[in-house]
Amino acid sequence: DVKVTQSSRYLVKRTGEKVFLECVQDMDHENMFWYRQDPGLGLRLIYFSYDVKMKEKGDIPEGYSVSREKKERFSLILESASTNQTSMYLCASSPAPRDGYTFGSGTRLTVV
Amino acid sequence: DQQVKQNSPSLSVQEGRISILNCDYTNSMFDYFLWYKKYPAEGPTFLISISSIKDKNEDGRFTVFLNKSAKHLSLHIVPSQPGDSAVYFCAATSNTGNQFYFGTGTSLTVIP
Repeated sequence: DVKVTQSSRYLVKRTGEKVFLECVQDMDHENMFWYRQDPGLGLRLIYFSYDVKMKEKGDIPEGYSVSREKKERFSLILESASTNQTSMYLCASSPAPRDGYTFGSGTRLTVV
Repeated sequence: DQQVKQNSPSLSVQEGRISILNCDYTNSMFDYFLWYKKYPAEGPTFLISISSIKDKNEDGRFTVFLNKSAKHLSLHIVPSQPGDSAVYFCAATSNTGNQFYFGTGTSLTVIP
């Protein structure tokens, strides 16, 4: 069964902390994505990557960075966590840009 | 600016009846559309797709209709079942796109 695995289901961090959200896929997919889901705003794209060491900004990249050192792993970094980054974070992967995404189960991040 | 819109945040339907979820888009370049279903504390899962060369696609109880002139698509679930209670997202992309754009979601409740 193909999978996208997010390392944490729930995280609580303090304002100003550096936060790492990890995502691993076992499908040899080229493309990986980070979204956040907020009530009334749906899924908003933060960053995506179409190859190792490549990254593209999505719609809301401010306050975030990403790292893709290996094909299967895509990390989202909150450089200095703030309360407005409290959200559900979803990682996804796909073999090609027009292929449907496989999502991970999400990480519920609370910044206090 | 939201390119994919789901104007109904929530919908309640009796078990056995039809559920109709609507989605509108603004970008005339979008030519491929997906519907995802999301349960709480899980990632979205792919439900059904439609290409702009079709106006209808059916998969069991799920049918998606596309009206290109109106830039509108809808998902019909017949008959609705309590297990269909979830948040439904529509998503769209263009043939030159490198990402899907998601709507804000509609929370469907099927009442037994």
